[in-house]
Amino acid sequence: AQSVTQLDSQVPVFEEAPVELRCNYSSSVSVYLFWYVQYPNQGLQLLLKYLSGSTLVKGINGFEAEFNKSQTSFHLRKPSVHISDTAEYFCAVSVPRRATNKLIFGTGTLLAVQP
Amino acid sequence: EAGVTQFPSHSVIEKGQTVTLRCDPISGHDNLYWYRRVMGKEIKFLLHFVKESKQDESGMPNNRFLAERTGGTYSTLKVQPAELEDSGVYFCASSQDRKSGGAVFYNEQFFGPGTRLTVL
Repeated sequence: AQSVTQLDSQVPVFEEAPVELRCNYSSSVSVYLFWYVQYPNQGLQLLLKYLSGSTLVKGINGFEAEFNKSQTSFHLRKPSVHISDTAEYFCAVSVPRRATNKLIFGTGTLLAVQP
Repeated sequence: EAGVTQFPSHSVIEKGQTVTLRCDPISGHDNLYWYRRVMGKEIKFLLHFVKESKQDESGMPNNRFLAERTGGTYSTLKVQPAELEDSGVYFCASSQDRKSGGAVFYNEQFFGPGTRLTVL
């Protein structure tokens, strides 16, 4: 079975500061990795994904994440955040080539950007 | 192109009542998923339709939950009778049919805004 851990439930940060949201996963098989973002009153939106290839993946809105297989991590980073980045961020995995590519999510991290 | 829509956006019911949630996927998407987030916890998979067939319903909590997708278009999720622990946000997602090709076997899931269910 797979599981995803997001240890930080809330991350406060000042505008223009860098941020890292942590994600660790557990799986006995290879997985795909994702970060989703949920802005207030909206659905989840895919921020970025790792399927294969380069371990550094870039997503929308200046976010990037690095897949580290030895540490089973997929931390999300942004060098300079904006007020508009305030949202809840979810890390997720899925198992490739399964009949259903259901997503297994972490508990989410609320990013609160302060002026 | 319209995204995934869900109705209602909010529902407040009393314990023992019945509630039906509706999801309209993106047109042409054969795959439809239901997920649920109980407050403060992770978003959990409930079930997966491929067209009108249930591909995986391993996440359904119990037999008080009934999901249907007649005709392979929109889907409904009925909770009968509702219990306090059913409160949460119910998300629907849809994706295109999976295509094999190379080593990548992936189609992005597009999510709706969710239905917030409160059982009193």
